[in-house]
Amino acid sequence: RKEVEQDPGPFNVPEGATVAFNCTYSNSASQSFFWYRQDCRKEPKLLMSVYSSGNEDGRFTAQLNRASQYISLLIRDSKLSDSATYLCVVTDTGRRALTFGSGTRLQVQP
Amino acid sequence: SAVISQKPSRDICQRGTSLTIQCQVDSQVTMMFWYRQQPGQSLTLIATANQGSEATYESGFVIDKFPISRPNLTFSTLTVSNMSPEDSSIYLCSVDLGTRDEQYFGPGTRLTVT
Repeated sequence: RKEVEQDPGPFNVPEGATVAFNCTYSNSASQSFFWYRQDCRKEPKLLMSVYSSGNEDGRFTAQLNRASQYISLLIRDSKLSDSATYLCVVTDTGRRALTFGSGTRLQVQP
Repeated sequence: SAVISQKPSRDICQRGTSLTIQCQVDSQVTMMFWYRQQPGQSLTLIATANQGSEATYESGFVIDKFPISRPNLTFSTLTVSNMSPEDSSIYLCSVDLGTRDEQYFGPGTRLTVT
């Protein structure tokens, strides 16, 4: 079983749609959680950290359920520029190295 | 965040040769990491580059194949030794700025081995 699992997609959605990505992780010792965005042929860029209380940044909302070991990302009012691969990432207490999911590809269409 | 540069940005190398990739950060950082992204795959950690001591390698990666240097708090190198076509990947360095475990990545080095 992979440590971090994501639906690979692709998710093809029209502009303005709301889309949700899910992620599960297997290591209960995981301490920090993130969503990264990776554009084609570019490095991953931190989109947002994910906190137990949930957090929102503009059109993006992330939630964490530690009991279910489940992380989600919601994108509202999708833009063409949101087209990218979204990577679910976790790290262990003290280790600091990141474990990546395989990524979910999003294609927003006009 | 931090400004991270990598050199070279890309290279095409012959099998059996070695390539050294450089990673430079614009501020002092305690923790630097090296990742590999094989074609169509996500990122896999190769090793943690420790300043003043030997790197810590992940399972499946060994020092003889991927020697790492970390001479100071702003610079690290990764060497891919005795290359084969299976080493064709993007190699990325990252830094942890010590804030909530967040890491920032360099632009990557795209390596093709023929």
